[in-house]
Amino acid sequence: DQQVKQNSPSLSVQEGRISILNCDYTNSMFDYFLWYKKYPAEGPTFLISISSIKDKNEDGRFTVFLNKSAKHLSLHIVPSQPGDSAVYFCASIGANNLFFGTGTRLTVIP
Amino acid sequence: GAVVSQHPSRVICKSGTSVKIECRSLDFQATTMFWYRQFPKQSLMLMATSNEGSKATYEQGVEKDKFLINHASLTLSTLTVTSAHPEDSSFYICSVPGQRYEQYFGPGTRLTVT
Repeated sequence: DQQVKQNSPSLSVQEGRISILNCDYTNSMFDYFLWYKKYPAEGPTFLISISSIKDKNEDGRFTVFLNKSAKHLSLHIVPSQPGDSAVYFCASIGANNLFFGTGTRLTVIP
Repeated sequence: GAVVSQHPSRVICKSGTSVKIECRSLDFQATTMFWYRQFPKQSLMLMATSNEGSKATYEQGVEKDKFLINHASLTLSTLTVTSAHPEDSSFYICSVPGQRYEQYFGPGTRLTVT
């Protein structure tokens, strides 16, 4: 049972435009959410996180939005750069475990 | 964040043999480390939590006698896949917890069992 879902397996965006990556979760007890970036044959790299008491967290080009009523979070990257091309995983904390989505492959076209 | 290394980065072994994967926290003493497995096009699945000086905690469905975990020091945890079978072929990743809920991951080990 996939508690964290990323329904878009891939996304292509022009360089300079905004990338929006989406994530849905099912467990209302989740109270902390993270985004990871992963290059091929490497482990995930922590990107940004948000607590359930907030609805937005911004760090440079990366902003995460949380809509608790919809159990939905999104990662906005603006402006997108070719180096952002990677697989992005969202993750949620529940019972001290990290539950990962299946990932969205972002391709930023120069 | 913490710097985590894994060795080997990839390994090919014959069915029935055992393979040991090392996870090292290079700049941080970790009393806890996590082991994940990722199958192609799937999410990372937590296999077990490695505890320094005590037994590992395994997730439901993960055979503890098959996936032996040893956390002998604050900087090293090992995962041994015993009597490996082709279905054990996967990408194995370890991580070290950060100050809050984030985790810092190693580069992963690609295991192929022939």
